[in-house]
Amino acid sequence: DVKVTQSSRYLVKRTGEKVFLECVQDMDHENMFWYRQDPGLGLRLIYFSYDVKMKEKGDIPEGYSVSREKKERFSLILESASTNQTSMYLCASSSLIARDEQFFGPGTRLTVL
Amino acid sequence: AQSVTQLDSQVPVFEEAPVELRCNYSSSVSVYLFWYVQYPNQGLQLLLKYLSGSTLVKGINGFEAEFNKSQTSFHLRKPSVHISDTAEYFCAVGRYGGSQGNLIFGKGTKLSVKP
Repeated sequence: DVKVTQSSRYLVKRTGEKVFLECVQDMDHENMFWYRQDPGLGLRLIYFSYDVKMKEKGDIPEGYSVSREKKERFSLILESASTNQTSMYLCASSSLIARDEQFFGPGTRLTVL
Repeated sequence: AQSVTQLDSQVPVFEEAPVELRCNYSSSVSVYLFWYVQYPNQGLQLLLKYLSGSTLVKGINGFEAEFNKSQTSFHLRKPSVHISDTAEYFCAVGRYGGSQGNLIFGKGTKLSVKP
């Protein structure tokens, strides 16, 4: 069974903290994605990666960075968390061959106080 | 620029009634189109997809969608819904025609099935 896992389901941080959200996939997928999901706004793409050590900005990269040191792991970093980054964060992956279908993790609900 | 518009943010319906969730897209290139479903407290999962070929696409759980190029629509339908279909549904279009596996999502439609 294919799987995308995210390190935490719920996370509470304080303003100004550095936050790491981890995502791991076991499908040997080349492509990985980070989205944030907010009520009424749907999913918005933050960053994506097509290969190890490669990254591309999505639609809303400001305030975020990413790291992909290994093929199966894609980390989202909030350098200095702010309250407007309180959101649900979803990770996804897809293969190079079947690029169209993305597999999603369960999400991390981040609250920044 | 490509975009996706889901015309209804919420759709309430009674159990065993038919339902249609509407999606319109804008794209200057050939499109890949998708419907994803998100059950409460879960990530998204693929319901169905249109890449090419037959315009009527069948998916999981009895859902189907029809690609209409002239109306730039990809509406999702089910003839008889169950309580378990209560979820949020997202329409998506492949960015740049889908060649890079990168998707643009709509804002979602919450389907609420009442007994």
